[in-house]
Amino acid sequence: GESVGLHLPTLSVQEGDNSIINCAYSNSASDYFIWYKQESGKGPQFIIDIRSNMDKRQGQRVTVLLNKTVKHLSLQIAATQPGDSAVYFCAENMGGGADGLTFGKGTHLIIQP
Amino acid sequence: DGGITQSPKYLFRKEGQNVTLSCEQNLNHDAMYWYRQDPGQGLRLIYYSQIVNDFQKGDIAEGYSVSREKKESFPLTVTSAQKNPTAFYLCASSMTGETQYFGPGTRLLVL
Repeated sequence: GESVGLHLPTLSVQEGDNSIINCAYSNSASDYFIWYKQESGKGPQFIIDIRSNMDKRQGQRVTVLLNKTVKHLSLQIAATQPGDSAVYFCAENMGGGADGLTFGKGTHLIIQP
Repeated sequence: DGGITQSPKYLFRKEGQNVTLSCEQNLNHDAMYWYRQDPGQGLRLIYYSQIVNDFQKGDIAEGYSVSREKKESFPLTVTSAQKNPTAFYLCASSMTGETQYFGPGTRLLVL
């Protein structure tokens, strides 16, 4: 079965609010985690990544938090904009190298005007 | 322009036909990957290659084949043995152990 999953299939937020997308993983050996954004009909776009030796990493308007104790990953998007509407996937790498990623099913983020 | 290209954007397959999807990258990445995405689902790994002339099966390799004769190219063949080929196919590349970057995808439909 899948070792990476998401708690909610759809998340609706008001424009300007902060969004939090959650992800659970089951393999404690995973050492690299990535968040991707996928717009309809397009390939996934890299947002931010984090390695298992960190618990927080910040980018432009995005923050990823990693809680290894409960095997939980979250993506926070500040001041959500209409262009943030997409499906967001978390992915993990268990190989520690160039093995393929394991993806969750994704969360569809909907921005309300 | 640097990046990953996939062609064609749409591909139609007849019953019993083999079709080949192209993936090219000019990022000088060592590793390349093929994933399949079904509607409303995440991506599943088909095959990956860490170096030229070498590749490994992913989680759903049955009915697919690949080659890696050049560093820049990693074509995927969907064979007639793949009974449910309709999906969105995504190619990715990376430096070893680093972030994977994806191409725009090929949508395969069965006639």
